[in-house]
Amino acid sequence: QPALTQPSSVSGPPGQRVTISCAGNSSNIGADYRVHWYQQFPGAAPKVLIYDDDIRPSGVPDRFFGSKSGTSASLAITGLQPEDEADYYCQSFDSSLSSSVFGGGTKLTVL
Amino acid sequence: QPQLVQSGPEAKTPGGSVKLSCTASGYTFPAYGITWVRQAPGQGLQWLGWISPHNGNRHYAQTLQGRITLTTDLSTTTAYLELRGLRFDDTAVYYCARAKVPSAVSAPWGQGSRVTVSS
Repeated sequence: QPALTQPSSVSGPPGQRVTISCAGNSSNIGADYRVHWYQQFPGAAPKVLIYDDDIRPSGVPDRFFGSKSGTSASLAITGLQPEDEADYYCQSFDSSLSSSVFGGGTKLTVL
Repeated sequence: QPQLVQSGPEAKTPGGSVKLSCTASGYTFPAYGITWVRQAPGQGLQWLGWISPHNGNRHYAQTLQGRITLTTDLSTTTAYLELRGLRFDDTAVYYCARAKVPSAVSAPWGQGSRVTVSS
């Protein structure tokens, strides 16, 4: 069971806004460890989408937003586009495990 | 541009061991750690461990403690992952990625090395 909990799937039509949640606890997100988000297409390595809770690397469209509150984090995607269809993973550090941890991943389907 | 290039696919039998490599270029190798992550077929990402090429500090995932060893070679700017006592459920694509510290973002990632464990 992953230390961070994500919905297994989310979907929405083009142009819509969707949110992917990442629920942790007081040992990881709640301990104010930074949250990072990755996008992964089939057969490819993950790529950073958001790092340190809410920072977009250069080249990532400004339709992607990261936020964190308490023991949870969220990735919001506005103006959904067909090319956003991919798997999304959150990552943080867990002090009780003394290791980094990933969420189970969320498959985004653009209807 | 920082880049990580990983070794090729491996086919192993249960009980054996595998050693994967990850060669870094385009940045100062000792200045960043290397994280290892694996992904079993159809599954999510699993963090395996992190090593600092600068001082050899290591963090390992508890689930693999005792079976995994991370090392680096400064002369060739290469990081290695050795996994022993291979089991069928070690079948996965193994990725390396650059990360300043274990809690930092991992980027960039290598292309992945496929390890298949079968009898």
